[in-house]
Amino acid sequence: DIQMTQSPSSVSASVGDRVTITCRASQGISTWLAWYQQKPGKAPKLLIYAASSLQSGVPSRFSGSGSGTDFTLTISSLQPEDSATYYCQQANRFPLTYTFGQGTKLEIK
Amino acid sequence: QVQLVQSGAEVKKPGSSVKVSCKASGGTFSSDAISWVRQAPGQGLEWMGGIIPMFGAPNYAQKFQGRVTITADESTSTAHMELSSLRSEDTAVYYCASGRESDDWNPYGRVHYLDHWGQGTLVTVSS
Repeated sequence: DIQMTQSPSSVSASVGDRVTITCRASQGISTWLAWYQQKPGKAPKLLIYAASSLQSGVPSRFSGSGSGTDFTLTISSLQPEDSATYYCQQANRFPLTYTFGQGTKLEIK
Repeated sequence: QVQLVQSGAEVKKPGSSVKVSCKASGGTFSSDAISWVRQAPGQGLEWMGGIIPMFGAPNYAQKFQGRVTITADESTSTAHMELSSLRSEDTAVYYCASGRESDDWNPYGRVHYLDHWGQGTLVTVSS
């Protein structure tokens, strides 16, 4: 099974900062990767799919990059509402399989 | 707009089973990928299994093989997840999520990303 490892597990940054979260897959997954944002008590929200495609309605300060085993989520200018936990997820078509990273908690200073 | 509405909270005894439903509206249920994801208190997201209704056969995470059953009824656009032999560690919020075929391809076809989520169902396992 593919394992997804995120780093860091938590990060604290100030409004306006640039924040980068990293996700590593245990084997190559091409660009079959998504990023989700989850706020307390809420369902996850899809931010990025196919490693770098911005989901409709998601602010352009969010971006994704990478392929193979190494991926990043970048928030270019942190906003107060970005305080949340972020998860990466690999996606496979056949068999239908998803694996989440362990999450990165982002706190606003 | 796709909407997923899940059944209500459940309290179960250890050793029993629970069945959670997820009714979809506004999408293309048959060709969407429907998945079940759980989140234990204070923990991360855990994929349990999923199904593409038009293909029928579900796939399960190894951890839940033999204990989980996922079905989808195309006539009512409703998916179900049944988890058996419940233990206290199964206490969690259970989410259904769906994703349409994206424009991202792998060797087997278009990849589905989970872009719509239900509101979650809290399942509490306690004696």
